[in-house]
Amino acid sequence: GNSVTQMEGPVTLSEEAFLTINCTYTATGYPSLFWYVQYPGEGLQLLLKATKADDKGSNKGFEATYRKETTSFHLEKGSVQVSDSAVYFCALRGTSGSRLTFGEGTQLTVNP
Amino acid sequence: DSGVTQTPKHLITATGQRVTLRCSPRSGDLSVYWYQQSLDQGLQFLIQYYNGEERAKGNILERFSAQQFPDLHSELNLSSLELGDSALYFCASSVDPGATYGYTFGSGTRLTVV
Repeated sequence: GNSVTQMEGPVTLSEEAFLTINCTYTATGYPSLFWYVQYPGEGLQLLLKATKADDKGSNKGFEATYRKETTSFHLEKGSVQVSDSAVYFCALRGTSGSRLTFGEGTQLTVNP
Repeated sequence: DSGVTQTPKHLITATGQRVTLRCSPRSGDLSVYWYQQSLDQGLQFLIQYYNGEERAKGNILERFSAQQFPDLHSELNLSSLELGDSALYFCASSVDPGATYGYTFGSGTRLTVV
């Protein structure tokens, strides 16, 4: 079946540091890939997505590139802010069906 | 505000009881999904409805059931509650049954079983 593996957290960074959260997946065919963010006490919000190999999703300074050869979709941001502190989830939608399979989530804390 | 409305936000109940969680999807979205988020299991897909019909079923216990009404709102019924059912329950919606562009999530219902 489909699965998503994220780097273990929590991750703690200083403001303006570079962020990478690793995500790899297992799926047949060409799934769609997503990053969601969950702020404390809130639901998940779609951060960015990519629907085919080599696509780059980007939003609010965050980027992720769909790498079929390494089955990865790593999240990056060049300069994090305190307001980026949240839990980040990588997810995939398989080629059949509509359910999203989520990774375990990575807690990010950014200190001033 | 995502446009997906879940009520209630918090619910505390005793073991053995039955509760109903309600979800109104974003305007124009026909598909509703229910997920359970717990510390040990992460986000688990429970069930999907599209335009009133069950579309897909995941790890939903027999004690749990759901439905989607003609006005497209959905209810998740949890019965014979156990301590282990304590979790955040999220509803999400999408405009198409294939969720091509992902979901829009509500802010969740936190269920505590005591």
